[in-house]
Amino acid sequence: QKEVEQNSGPLSVPEGAIASLNCTYSDRGSQSFFWYRQYSGKSPELIMFIYSNGDKEDGRFTAQLNKASQYVSLLIRDSQPSDSATYLCALGNDMRFGAGTRLTVKP
Amino acid sequence: AAGVIQSPRHLIKEKRETATLKCYPIPRHDTVYWYQQGPGQDPQFLISFYEKMQSDKGSIPDRFSAQQFSDYHSELNMSSLELGDSALYFCASSLWGLAGAGPDTQYFGPGTRLTVL
Repeated sequence: QKEVEQNSGPLSVPEGAIASLNCTYSDRGSQSFFWYRQYSGKSPELIMFIYSNGDKEDGRFTAQLNKASQYVSLLIRDSQPSDSATYLCALGNDMRFGAGTRLTVKP
Repeated sequence: AAGVIQSPRHLIKEKRETATLKCYPIPRHDTVYWYQQGPGQDPQFLISFYEKMQSDKGSIPDRFSAQQFSDYHSELNMSSLELGDSALYFCASSLWGLAGAGPDTQYFGPGTRLTVL
């Protein structure tokens, strides 16, 4: 079992809907959590980081962290076709990545 | 704003050849990370350097070596290349414990696409 598990994709949502991406992890000692977006053939681009329990909002993006349940999620409100990409969850200083979830937002 | 620079962007090599990938971190960043991403795979951490010293080691093959120089740029040296080494190689940089940007947030370069024939 990988240290970081992401909900299997691909995930398809209509434009304007909320996309929900989930990530669970096994290392209880993890302190920092990151969400990256990666377009095909491009480098990962940081969307958000979170290290405290609860919600963190940045524009249309909300990261949620629950250390007791060992999960971190990313909500994308008012999804746009330009949000179509692979979303990678990563943990810790050595950036252990999940396998990624491919999101498609259909116009 | 300046970003992470990687060179070359594309590289084609034959089996058993050697390759050197270069990474120039964001100015004032003191930590460099190397990742390998195969087709359809998530990035795999290879190795990292902090202040020119190796700080962490991941799944880097023994055929590979890396170092960080006094100007903080880093080079990944790959020898006895194999077909399976064909991948995107990303470098990322961070400023250790930079307040405000978050805990060790890493910023990725555009990557070097290595093809081994």
